[in-house]
Amino acid sequence: GAVVSQHPSRVICKSGTSVKIECRSLDFQATTMFWYRQFPKQSLMLMATSNEGSKATYEQGVEKDKFLINHASLTLSTLTVTSAHPEDSSFYICSARDRQTIYEQYFGPGTRLTVT
Amino acid sequence: SQELEQSPQSLIVQEGKNLTINCTSSKTLYGLYWYKQKYGEGLIFLMMLQKGGEEKSHEKITAKLDEKKQQSSLHITASQPSHAGTYLCGSLSPDSGTYKYIFGTGTRLKVLA
Repeated sequence: GAVVSQHPSRVICKSGTSVKIECRSLDFQATTMFWYRQFPKQSLMLMATSNEGSKATYEQGVEKDKFLINHASLTLSTLTVTSAHPEDSSFYICSARDRQTIYEQYFGPGTRLTVT
Repeated sequence: SQELEQSPQSLIVQEGKNLTINCTSSKTLYGLYWYKQKYGEGLIFLMMLQKGGEEKSHEKITAKLDEKKQQSSLHITASQPSHAGTYLCGSLSPDSGTYKYIFGTGTRLKVLA
């Protein structure tokens, strides 16, 4: 089946710094990618929808200046957490939608971000 | 906006017991997915249902989508410790001419040996 990778799998950064998370579709083209965050013992919350070649669409309550999303190619989307704070510590998961059908969506393994 | 509510929120069962998890949508479901997740890890795809009345089984897990396509249930028969984890339902939600993917509130399952 289709594979989505995320890098890094874990990252620890200091408060005030920025960190970039990559999401790649390895064997298919994804015109649309989604970014989620998950707090402990909670479900996945959609943060934004990333469309190749255009601006991301953010969900209500998500700061677009803080969570910068770039979808530069059909296989890569990046999420940059700018000026990170401890409350940004979370599990971030991306997913990629196969351009052939809206029903095929594949999830990455997640990135654990810890801000100290 | 569409919301998916799961019940129960958490469940503790004795090994060998059957259990059911429900996922109720505020709107018609366009594709209903079930996933399992271990804490801090990625999602494990279980099943996808599309048609009203559809039922699928894999090993000891059966998922159904009701005729009205607003509710789905996940049933585990003769539960085992390996079934422990968080179960999430997900669905495509129409949004401004396209579809985004949303998740239910989650159900944490613990199976006692």
